Amino acid sequence: GAGVSQTPSNKVTEKGKYVELRCDPISGHTALYWYRQSLGQGPEFLIYFQGTGAADDSGLPNDRFFAVRPEGSVSTLKIQRTERGDSAVYLCASSLTAGYTEAFFGQGTRLTVV
Amino acid sequence: AQKVTQAQTEISVVEKEDVTLDCVYETRDTTYYLFWYKQPPSGELVFLIRRNSFDEQNEISGRYSWNFQKSTSSFNFTITASQVVDSAVYFCALSGGADGLTFGKGTHLIIQP
Repeated sequence: GAGVSQTPSNKVTEKGKYVELRCDPISGHTALYWYRQSLGQGPEFLIYFQGTGAADDSGLPNDRFFAVRPEGSVSTLKIQRTERGDSAVYLCASSLTAGYTEAFFGQGTRLTVV
Repeated sequence: AQKVTQAQTEISVVEKEDVTLDCVYETRDTTYYLFWYKQPPSGELVFLIRRNSFDEQNEISGRYSWNFQKSTSSFNFTITASQVVDSAVYFCALSGGADGLTFGKGTHLIIQP
């Protein structure tokens, strides 16, 4: 596709359940980023991939959060034992290369934990 | 640590007025980039501009202009002759390298017809 695609657009899950959020970056973009945006706040960095490897996962809040990018394209953000505080919009972005190039964002996945 | 401050939480102006959105940043990096993104109600962040720390020239793109002043660590954004379609949340962001962007909390701009 022409842009960054995220699925699902909305996800409602019960507290304690496991969820997976998918990101399909722009073709050819080697860098992929996950952010989390809470209501009324700016996006907060979670993790960054360069190719298949997680180059920086310092933004992941705890070990319930994990992300993979096995073939260097599509990425999945996985959240175990979800908590109500995990409710937010999860944004994915990709850029042609790492570093200072502009990142293009998807429309996000709105996660609601009830 | 990096920090971006957008002190204006919400601005409301009447259409055709000029409006300036403020952005102040903190970083210890000597090389960095500054960005502005627009987030309309649809939620998708739209890239507007990128400026590197070595280029302090102001930039104009149509009704948009940006004023980068390294001496005051500011990167302000002005919309001239605002239009209703400019209504959105605008984010200033800072990048110090390969890591992700550090965003401000955003300014909600309301353009009234």
